[in-house]
Amino acid sequence: AQTVTQSQPEMSVQEAETVTLSCTYDTSESDYYLFWYKQPPSRQMILVIRQEAYKQQNATENRFSVNFQKAAKSFSLKISDSQLGDAAMYFCAYIIGNQFYFGTGTSLTVIP
Amino acid sequence: DVKVTQSSRYLVKRTGEKVFLECVQDMDHENMFWYRQDPGLGLRLIYFSYDVKMKEKGDIPEGYSVSREKKERFSLILESASTNQTSMYLCASRGTYSLEAQYFGPGTRLLVL
Repeated sequence: AQTVTQSQPEMSVQEAETVTLSCTYDTSESDYYLFWYKQPPSRQMILVIRQEAYKQQNATENRFSVNFQKAAKSFSLKISDSQLGDAAMYFCAYIIGNQFYFGTGTSLTVIP
Repeated sequence: DVKVTQSSRYLVKRTGEKVFLECVQDMDHENMFWYRQDPGLGLRLIYFSYDVKMKEKGDIPEGYSVSREKKERFSLILESASTNQTSMYLCASRGTYSLEAQYFGPGTRLLVL
């Protein structure tokens, strides 16, 4: 079975600090793609960052970066210089073929 | 920018009613998806479609059906709404490129009384 585990249902970070959200997954496939999505309160889910599993280099998008450990099946998201607008539910996901598998989400609070 | 729209943000229906949720995308995407989002359960796939008139069951298709008569439109149908179908419903679309993300609509929050 394909599964995605986000072990931290809730996290908080001080504004301007760094926070890391964890994600582990389980698949026997070798070719897949990983994503982090952000869902602000009452707003649309949007893509934060993506990573190809065959690439060893970790993806980076401005203040967002990932730590991808393929052997450990781990895909954590690091948010640097946290801002109030980063407060949201964050979902980790991977895709095999045409099907996405999502984690249960981590709710991030940013403290001013 | 990809735009995915859903027919309603909020919907209140009575048990036993037939409910239609509509989703429209403007990027000529082949793939469209319906998810249900519940607290603590994440997103669960109900159905997806990879082409017009084509559909595949997801993880929780029971009590739901779908229709895709045109490429840009994907409808979710609750044949006879029940209280346990009270939830947030998210539609998404996606092209065929491997690394392409899904693009989500704003969601429909359905309450079944």
